[in-house]
Amino acid sequence: GAVVSQHPSRVICKSGTSVKIECRSLDFQATTMFWYRQFPKKSLMLMATSNEGSKATYEQGVEKDKFLINHASLTLSTLTVTSAHPEDSSFYICSASEGNEKLFFGSGTQLSVL
Amino acid sequence: DQQVKQNSPSLSVQEGRISILNCDYTNSMFDYFLWYKKYPAEGPTFLISISSIKDKNEDGRFTVFLNKSAKHLSLHIVPSQPGDSAVYFCAATGGTSYGKLTFGQGTILTVHP
Repeated sequence: GAVVSQHPSRVICKSGTSVKIECRSLDFQATTMFWYRQFPKKSLMLMATSNEGSKATYEQGVEKDKFLINHASLTLSTLTVTSAHPEDSSFYICSASEGNEKLFFGSGTQLSVL
Repeated sequence: DQQVKQNSPSLSVQEGRISILNCDYTNSMFDYFLWYKKYPAEGPTFLISISSIKDKNEDGRFTVFLNKSAKHLSLHIVPSQPGDSAVYFCAATGGTSYGKLTFGQGTILTVHP
């Protein structure tokens, strides 16, 4: 099946720094990738839709200047959490579709901001 | 506004018995539904899906039932195995938002040996 790789799996950073998370589709081209966020014991919430070669579409309530998304190629999307603060600590997950209805998820990134 | 709801936060079953996980939705535009299994600190793993043109889809031990009139779907796992213990999320998509998933809150399934 299709594989989506997400890196890093875990990151701890100081408040005020920026963190970049990468999401790669390993064996297929993904024109669209999605970024989700999950708080402890909560559901996954869609943050934004990443479109190759164009600006990302953000869900209501998600700060686009805080969460920068770049989809520079058909196999790579990045999420940068800028000037991270403790409230940004969360589990971030990307997903990508190979064109059918199935979405394949990355393994997630646990971000802890001190 | 929780458009996809899993009202049971947890479920405990004996190995070999049937596990039934339930999910309700409110958005009539949803026409495709998926179930995912998730372990802590890992991404969700796709299990099974169903289109709104069907009322049942089966894949091995997993069967998903869809009742459109009731806006309800369920995942049946039979026989349940200890390795099935995980958090199960139902998700829905459709209409103009096709491809973007709306998830339920998840149900923690524990299968006892």
